[in-house]
Amino acid sequence: DAGVIQSPRHEVTEMGQEVTLRCKPISGHNSLFWYRQTMMRGLELLIYFNNNVPIDDSGMPEDRFSAKMPNASFSTLKIQPSEPRDSAVYFCASNPTPGLRNTGELFFGEGSRLTVL
Amino acid sequence: AQSVTQLGSHVSVSEGALVLLRCNYSSSVPPYLFWYVQYPNQGLQLLLKYTTGATLVKGINGFEAEFKKSETSFHLTKPSAHMSDAAEYFCAVSEGGGFKTIFGAGTRLFVKA
Repeated sequence: DAGVIQSPRHEVTEMGQEVTLRCKPISGHNSLFWYRQTMMRGLELLIYFNNNVPIDDSGMPEDRFSAKMPNASFSTLKIQPSEPRDSAVYFCASNPTPGLRNTGELFFGEGSRLTVL
Repeated sequence: AQSVTQLGSHVSVSEGALVLLRCNYSSSVPPYLFWYVQYPNQGLQLLLKYTTGATLVKGINGFEAEFKKSETSFHLTKPSAHMSDAAEYFCAVSEGGGFKTIFGAGTRLFVKA
């Protein structure tokens, strides 16, 4: 079975450019999460969706960041304009169990490493 | 609010020695607790989880963890370290029913030959 698929794996861009990261969750998983990993701040939850609806975006650092989930099999995280401090590894994860039976177990993609020069 | 504290950002053990990685959590409701492992340039993989029931849980690769409510701890152990265990380990807490999983800062495990 295919796992969570993220693209691109690596992205190098210049400050001010728009960056779009993509994620395909595991088929049948109802929840999708975007995390950011840096040395300084560790793993930070940016936003999560349930049944394609954003539930909590309180972790999104600022208005330059936006995320969408137009359907159950695709999500994007966009940064516009990008800044050097956005350099990090961005992970997408999905979760199979909906609602009150949700134990929070996550299945991670391999990440998108973003470098903003 | 949930939080997770991992004691020690780096732990070094000799091959064959006991591995002990410490994790304490804070949660306003009975928590679901997890350990994940991350190898270089990869995503996180679930090692084991505690939801309800038996407080000693066994995971993959010989790891186990014990949930101690009185100590708000969920320490990860392995009796005998192997070189392939070298990786970063994350403790995480979820309050279940909701969707947020909060991770600790991680502990990097080094295994010496």
